[in-house]
Amino acid sequence: NAGVTQTPKFQVLKTGQSMTLQCAQDMNHEYMSWYRQDPGMGLRLIHYSVGAGITDQGEVPNGYNVSRSTTEDFPLRLLSAAPSQTSVYFCASSYLAGGYEQYFGPGTRLTVT
Amino acid sequence: GQQLNQSPQSMFIQEGEDVSMNCTSSSIFNTWLWYKQDPGEGPVLLIALYKAGELTSNGRLTAQFGITRKDSFLNISASIPSDVGIYFCAGPSGNTPLVFGKGTRLSVIA
Repeated sequence: NAGVTQTPKFQVLKTGQSMTLQCAQDMNHEYMSWYRQDPGMGLRLIHYSVGAGITDQGEVPNGYNVSRSTTEDFPLRLLSAAPSQTSVYFCASSYLAGGYEQYFGPGTRLTVT
Repeated sequence: GQQLNQSPQSMFIQEGEDVSMNCTSSSIFNTWLWYKQDPGEGPVLLIALYKAGELTSNGRLTAQFGITRKDSFLNISASIPSDVGIYFCAGPSGNTPLVFGKGTRLSVIA
């Protein structure tokens, strides 16, 4: 199993550009989520999904969209990038819908200039 | 939402020393999780605790679910250089599946 994979690993965007961060898992996990990590801030939940076709907002959802058309994939879309979205983004998944014991991907480091 | 307070924020220790860190909350948690993040990687689950008073070990790591259900502790015995990283506590809170503390950054001096 590859576990949780994320692409790209690094990305630089200009303010106003849009892009999609990809996340996939091959563990047949129902629950998937996106976090952002900023220095000294820990991990903050952006959006999550308890199964295909179901998504919900986390703590910091503004400026991001998600969809879950399959169990395996959970892409995160930045609609119009802003410098405040410069961060490291982690995707995670877990077997239980409660999402407690989550497995994390390697992260995407995004810089918005 | 609920916040988890971790202390210390950072620590520098000599190789071979024991390490203690803790996580507190103003409200009750029914599950406590401890994760470790190596530099440049995603967090990895170390220990999960599900019952007040529970004491669980994973090699040189031992974690405890506080009896008040508002705190948890992580101890590392006989530290080694590969223990370097950031340690996060986490737990489910209300409508948020998991809330994370801000982490304890551990540095080990050989």
